Amino acid sequence: EADIYQTPRYLVIGTGKKITLECSQTMGHDKMYWYQQDPGMELHLIHYSYGVNSTEKGDLSSESTVSRIRTEHFPLTLESARPSHTSQYLCASSERPGDGYTFGSGTRLTVV
Amino acid sequence: GNSVTQMEGPVTLSEEAFLTINCTYTATGYPSLFWYVQYPGEGLQLLLKATKADDKGSNKGFEATYRKETTSFHLEKGSVQVSDSAVYFCALSDPMSGGSNYKLTFGKGTLLTVNP
Repeated sequence: EADIYQTPRYLVIGTGKKITLECSQTMGHDKMYWYQQDPGMELHLIHYSYGVNSTEKGDLSSESTVSRIRTEHFPLTLESARPSHTSQYLCASSERPGDGYTFGSGTRLTVV
Repeated sequence: GNSVTQMEGPVTLSEEAFLTINCTYTATGYPSLFWYVQYPGEGLQLLLKATKADDKGSNKGFEATYRKETTSFHLEKGSVQVSDSAVYFCALSDPMSGGSNYKLTFGKGTLLTVNP
């Protein structure tokens, strides 16, 4: 059963459009993360949050931005989509180090 | 810093074959170790975990033992099925690194294909 929800699952959008990828979790976790997954499968951390009003950039530089106004919600925004943003985006949350992460099902973004 | 090195794929096996996917790590402190599985078109799911040396994590016939002396956490299954075809990620969480941010360090993933 999924306790972390990502919408949309698939998105095809034109270059220059603004998009927001939604991520919500019902577990009350403070820590949330966004990963970009390339076709070679490797995961790249692009943003994370320790809690409300906390956001940090990850290991991979990204033109996207995030916000954390509510504990359960961690949306990712691209102001002007480009073909280079085509990728799978995965959202995750965690509570304790020993628990690992819970992942959403992902959003597959294609920019044409 | 922390790192995870896992066996490069792809790995192709016949149904009922024995599976091993190697994973070794380096960490500053005393990490927790995880295996995640990603089925086609899905997000990652936690497969199993171990939080201290000599712990064995197990789930769905998969096993992995936390070996501190060899800094390894190899994934094994005695008899794979077609439904096990997926990408497998080894990961660690090191509480000594980065304070309380709980970030996981992932390996690059290993694609497993099981043929009937």
